[in-house]
Amino acid sequence: RKEVEQDPGPFNVPEGATVAFNCTYSNSASQSFFWYRQDCRKEPKLLMSVYSSGNEDGRFTAQLNRASQYISLLIRDSKLSDSATYLCVAVSGGYNKLIFGAGTRLAVHP
Amino acid sequence: GAGVSQSPSNKVTEKGKDVELRCDPISGHTALYWYRQSLGQGLEFLIYFQGNSAPDKSGLPSDRFSAERTGGSVSTLTIQRTQQEDSAVYLCASSSGAGGELFFGEGSRLTVL
Repeated sequence: RKEVEQDPGPFNVPEGATVAFNCTYSNSASQSFFWYRQDCRKEPKLLMSVYSSGNEDGRFTAQLNRASQYISLLIRDSKLSDSATYLCVAVSGGYNKLIFGAGTRLAVHP
Repeated sequence: GAGVSQSPSNKVTEKGKDVELRCDPISGHTALYWYRQSLGQGLEFLIYFQGNSAPDKSGLPSDRFSAERTGGSVSTLTIQRTQQEDSAVYLCASSSGAGGELFFGEGSRLTVL
């Protein structure tokens, strides 16, 4: 079983839609979590951190459920520019190792 | 430059040859990571350097892979006797500390014929 698992998608949604991605992690000792965004043939870039209390950044909301060991990302009012692959990340090994999921692909269409 | 720099950006080699990939992290960043990404796949952790500590090599797939970081800055990933399955994009990232935001380079695309 992979340490971080995501639905690969693709999620095809119209502009303005709300879309949610889930990610599960297997290492219960993982302490920190992130969402990264990767555009086609580009390097990943940090989208947002995930806190136990949940956090919101504009149209993006991230949640952590430690009991069920999953992380979610909600995107409201989708824009064409949101089309990308979203990578879930869990930090393990005493904050040394960032483990990436395989990513969920989002395609927003007009 | 201000970002993470990797070279070469593209490398085509023949099976059995050795290759070296270079990474220049952001100045002052103490943590440096190597990942590889095969076509349509996620990022596979390879190795992690943090300051002067012993590196975490737990992700290196075989003893053909090695990496070093000189002077706490530039890092070189070496793949000996390359195989076709080594074909991937090799991404380097640095951060200001363990577990912090990673800043990635644009990657080195390796193709083994």
